[in-house]
Amino acid sequence: EADIYQTPRYLVIGTGKKITLECSQTMGHDKMYWYQQDPGMELHLIHYSYGVNSTEKGDLSSESTVSRIRTEHFPLTLESARPSHTSQYLCASSPGTSDVETQYFGPGTRLLVL
Amino acid sequence: GQNIDQPTEMTATEGAIVQINCTYQTSGFNGLFWYQQHAGEAPTFLSYNVLDGLEEKGRFSSFLSRSKGYSYLLLKELQMKDSASYLCAVKDSNYQLIWGAGTKLIIKP
Repeated sequence: EADIYQTPRYLVIGTGKKITLECSQTMGHDKMYWYQQDPGMELHLIHYSYGVNSTEKGDLSSESTVSRIRTEHFPLTLESARPSHTSQYLCASSPGTSDVETQYFGPGTRLLVL
Repeated sequence: GQNIDQPTEMTATEGAIVQINCTYQTSGFNGLFWYQQHAGEAPTFLSYNVLDGLEEKGRFSSFLSRSKGYSYLLLKELQMKDSASYLCAVKDSNYQLIWGAGTKLIIKP
């Protein structure tokens, strides 16, 4: 069973607030990802990291930022939340050592910005 | 642009067989994945195809034709717990996963 955790699971917050979504994995995976998913829609990659001090933006334009100071930790920060940020945010990791590279997902954070 | 197409929703009967199709147009191809996602939960890995042909794993099988840009997921002996969304994803030339919107499978008794 994958050991990847996200907190909080649910968050309701007002416009303009700064928020950080936490993601941690205990599998020692080098690669980590943040996806945004609206109900019934595809996953969109917003950020990814191939290791410590490595971060890249994904194909979905996002006003969020990420950091990768430790292998196990990949937090996502929104400096000023807006209603358009309302969505589900999924964190994933993969070992990055084989072609298959199965991604293991955390339980997600459901964000509602009022 | 890159595109992955799946039917939005399918309905099947408990105990039956269902085939979920996926067609893709991507910049390069480095493998195709199927994931299962129950409502309100995270996706979980089901299968991976990189060569043409059929991969069988218990009640689930996945088929790939690279020349046709086509894959299907076959679910046999359907159970109520198979009610979920099934996501097709292709790894492109940059080794990034491009995701389809998923097919919501409804199983009826």
